[in-house]
Amino acid sequence: NAGVMQNPRHLVRRRGQEARLRCSPMKGHSHVYWYRQLPEEGLKFMVYLQKENIIDESGMPKERFSAEFPKEGPSILRIQQVVRGDSAAYFCASSQSPLGAGANVLTFGAGSRLTVL
Amino acid sequence: GQQLNQSPQSMFIQEGEDVSMNCTSSSIFNTWLWYKQEPGEGPVLLIALYKAGELTSNGRLTAQFGITRKDSFLNISASIPSDVGIYFCAGHYNTDKLIFGTGTRLQVFP
Repeated sequence: NAGVMQNPRHLVRRRGQEARLRCSPMKGHSHVYWYRQLPEEGLKFMVYLQKENIIDESGMPKERFSAEFPKEGPSILRIQQVVRGDSAAYFCASSQSPLGAGANVLTFGAGSRLTVL
Repeated sequence: GQQLNQSPQSMFIQEGEDVSMNCTSSSIFNTWLWYKQEPGEGPVLLIALYKAGELTSNGRLTAQFGITRKDSFLNISASIPSDVGIYFCAGHYNTDKLIFGTGTRLQVFP
């Protein structure tokens, strides 16, 4: 039973390029969460998605960042026109039911580490 | 917004020593979680706490959910080298967001 799978594990982009990070939740989980971790800091919530729907994007920067979780396939976190400040580890987590309404824990993937040159 | 203050920021201990770290929140939680993160990996759940006053153990780890619902602590007894990592507290209160603490970096020397 595979856990939360994220790829790529490491991604290097130049300023102005696009970064796409993918997340496949655990089998049977339809709730996906993206978190960002800056160096030497804790994880910060970005967005919560359920299949085909964005439920809460209150932690997403207003520009350049978008997320989707299509009916088929992995969830995608997309960062357009990356800047150096986007360099961070991006973690995906999943749960079987909504956090706080059934599920109380999140299972995290190993993360995607983005470096912007 | 909600904030979690975690202390200490870092600890350097000798193998065999006991470790204690804690987390305080500016508002109440109904779930407290403790995660461990090793270099290059994602957080792995250690202990979950669901009721005020609850004391739960997982091997050499023991965690408690504070009575006020605004704090939690994690103890590690008889530390070993593989305990090295960053320990995060996290909590939520009927929302879809887990709030994370700033982490305690643990270094164990043989």
